[in-house]
Amino acid sequence: QSVLTQPPSASGTPGQRVTISCSGSRSNIGLNTVNWYQQLPGTAPRLLIHSNNHRPSGVPDRFSGSKSGNSASLAISGLQSEDEADYYCAAWDDSLTWVFGGGTKLTVL
Amino acid sequence: QLQLQESGSGLVKPSETLSLTCSVSGGSISSPSYTWGWIRQPPGKGLEWLGSIYHTGRTHYNPSLKGRLSKSIDTSKNQFALKLSSVTAADTAVYYCARHTVGSTGWFDPWGQGLLVTVSS
Repeated sequence: QSVLTQPPSASGTPGQRVTISCSGSRSNIGLNTVNWYQQLPGTAPRLLIHSNNHRPSGVPDRFSGSKSGNSASLAISGLQSEDEADYYCAAWDDSLTWVFGGGTKLTVL
Repeated sequence: QLQLQESGSGLVKPSETLSLTCSVSGGSISSPSYTWGWIRQPPGKGLEWLGSIYHTGRTHYNPSLKGRLSKSIDTSKNQFALKLSSVTAADTAVYYCARHTVGSTGWFDPWGQGLLVTVSS
């Protein structure tokens, strides 16, 4: 049971816009920043979004993040086949642990 | 470009101790701006943070591991290590090492490629 709650799956067609939600509590998302990681099949996770809405260099601007209250969202616009992956949200929790969401498997139809 | 690489035994017997090392290249493990963490992923499941270590040797563990975890750092070799004692089948996972910026506003980046550790007799 993950501390942060994500939908187990999401899907979209090429070119579509998809959003993935991440729900937490005041002790994690409410008081701290949210990061998103992308895990392509058979590979290690890579940082996609940090500090709620900042893209590291090399991440396409099709990816964007937002946070409101105790929840956060990842949006992917202009969906492409190479975006098919697992997506995880993460945040620091004031119980002194890093917590992750259970992951969302994105399928490009 | 900073790179991390996990190494260690891929097969551990139940009740024994799992030992892994993360070798860092392309940057110094002694930087005060970063900490060095371990995250694991059981087959087909999500990510779990295990713990982190500062260049000073100060550690920070996930309480769920109930004292089974110990970490160390060797700045002369630019490596840090993980030991998890009394392993069971539930500890079977891919183990990743990663760098993260200091503080609650940090993030894990980059990650090592991961090492599958199987607990089995």
